[in-house]
Amino acid sequence: TQTVSQSDAHVTVFEGDSVELRCNYSYGGSIYLSWYIQHHGRGLQFLLKYYSGNPVVQGVNGFEAEFSKSDSSFHLRKASVHWSDSAVYFCAVSAGSYGNEKITFGAGTKLTIKP
Amino acid sequence: DMKVTQMPRYLIKRMGENVLLECGQDMSHETMYWYRQDPGLGLQLIYISYDVDSNSEGDIPKGYRVSRKKREHFSLILDSAKTNQTSVYFCASSSGPFQDTQYFGPGTRLLVL
Repeated sequence: TQTVSQSDAHVTVFEGDSVELRCNYSYGGSIYLSWYIQHHGRGLQFLLKYYSGNPVVQGVNGFEAEFSKSDSSFHLRKASVHWSDSAVYFCAVSAGSYGNEKITFGAGTKLTIKP
Repeated sequence: DMKVTQMPRYLIKRMGENVLLECGQDMSHETMYWYRQDPGLGLQLIYISYDVDSNSEGDIPKGYRVSRKKREHFSLILDSAKTNQTSVYFCASSSGPFQDTQYFGPGTRLLVL
């Protein structure tokens, strides 16, 4: 069984601040890790993903995430947030094989940017 | 223009009625998904479709069935809807299996009274 935990339901920062959104997972095998963003009333949009290689992956709009096997984490970061980054962010873990996949999303972290 | 569409966007049904949610994509993606989103629970996978007439249950298939007769269309059917199926339903597609980027539709907000 794989699980995804996003420990912070809400995060509030000021525009221009840096931010880190936390994601921890549990699974014993090979996995794919992703982050998605959901603006209010919209569908999810892909930000970035990791499977192997460099543990720091770059995504769209200045987002990056770092994989840590020892911590079972895949935290999302941005150096300087913009008001348009206000949204809900979902971490996702995918595992298994073709025809037997398991996809698990975290409960989401709502990021609010204050002016 | 890569796009996933969902119809209808909003739907109100009475308990026991049948519900049909439609999803379309214009990217010729092989794989399509149906999820439901409830507050505090993130997204839960209902069904995956790998291609026409090749569907697989997700985590919460009970009470739902799907149909995929054309690669670009994937339908979610609720036979005799229940009040606990009130939710927001999202369709997604990807060019390959799950590790590929998923493209999501705008969602259908379903209220079952």
